[in-house]
Amino acid sequence: GQNIDQPTEMTATEGAIVQINCTYQTSGFNGLFWYQQHAGEAPTFLSYNVLDGLEEKGRFSSFLSRSKGYSYLLLKELQMKDSASYLCAVCTNAGKSTFGDGTTLTVKP
Amino acid sequence: GAGVSQSPSNKVTEKGKDVELRCDPISGHTALYWYRQRLGQGLEFLIYFQGNSAPDKSGLPSDRFSAERTGESVSTLTIQRTQQEDSAVYLCASSLGIGGGASTDTQYFGPGTRLTVL
Repeated sequence: GQNIDQPTEMTATEGAIVQINCTYQTSGFNGLFWYQQHAGEAPTFLSYNVLDGLEEKGRFSSFLSRSKGYSYLLLKELQMKDSASYLCAVCTNAGKSTFGDGTTLTVKP
Repeated sequence: GAGVSQSPSNKVTEKGKDVELRCDPISGHTALYWYRQRLGQGLEFLIYFQGNSAPDKSGLPSDRFSAERTGESVSTLTIQRTQQEDSAVYLCASSLGIGGGASTDTQYFGPGTRLTVL
C-alpha cells in the first residue's frame, strides 16, 4: 500500500514564502503530483515531479527526492488567493494515483 | 473540449433511500476514480477503474456502496440504504491513466455531487 503524510494546516503572511512538505512510502513510484483545491471547488493540477530536483513554475516550485520519499511545494510572494488546500498525490507505474489528506493553507494580510 | 461532468450537482435524500450518482469522464480517458470528501476533510478514495481491468474497490466503505463503468465511458456510483454519515461531496476524476507521467496521469476532476442525507 501507500502512506502519504502532509501537515494538516499552515498559516503564512501575504508576500511571504511557505513550504508545504509531503513524505510518502510506495512501491512502483512513477511520479508525484501537487493539486490545489479552493474551498467548495474541485482539485486542479499544479505540478508534477518524477526526477529528483526542483521544478519551477512561476511563483510555485515543487521539489522531489525519491531516495528520501520526500517532496515539498514552495509558494513565493504569497497572495490572499493562495489560501486553499494543497494535496500531494503519488502515482505508481500502473497509472494509479493516491492522495494525501491535504494541507490547508491560510494566507493572512 | 468537454471536461468531466457529474450529475446531479446536488442531491437531498431521506435516510434509507438509494441514490445513484453519475460521472461522464473526458473522452479517451481509461482511468476513472471516485472519491468522497466530507466537509473540511481530504479526499477519501472509493474506487478506481482502469480500462478493462478489474476495478480496485479497496476504498468502498461498506457493501452499501457499489460502482459500475461501461467500457471507458460513463460510471455510476450507487449508495443503497443511505445513512446520514454518507452526506458528503462525491468527486469523480479521470485520466489517460497509463503510467506515462504528467501528460497521462494528471487527474481531471468533475464539479462533484453534494449529497445530503436527512
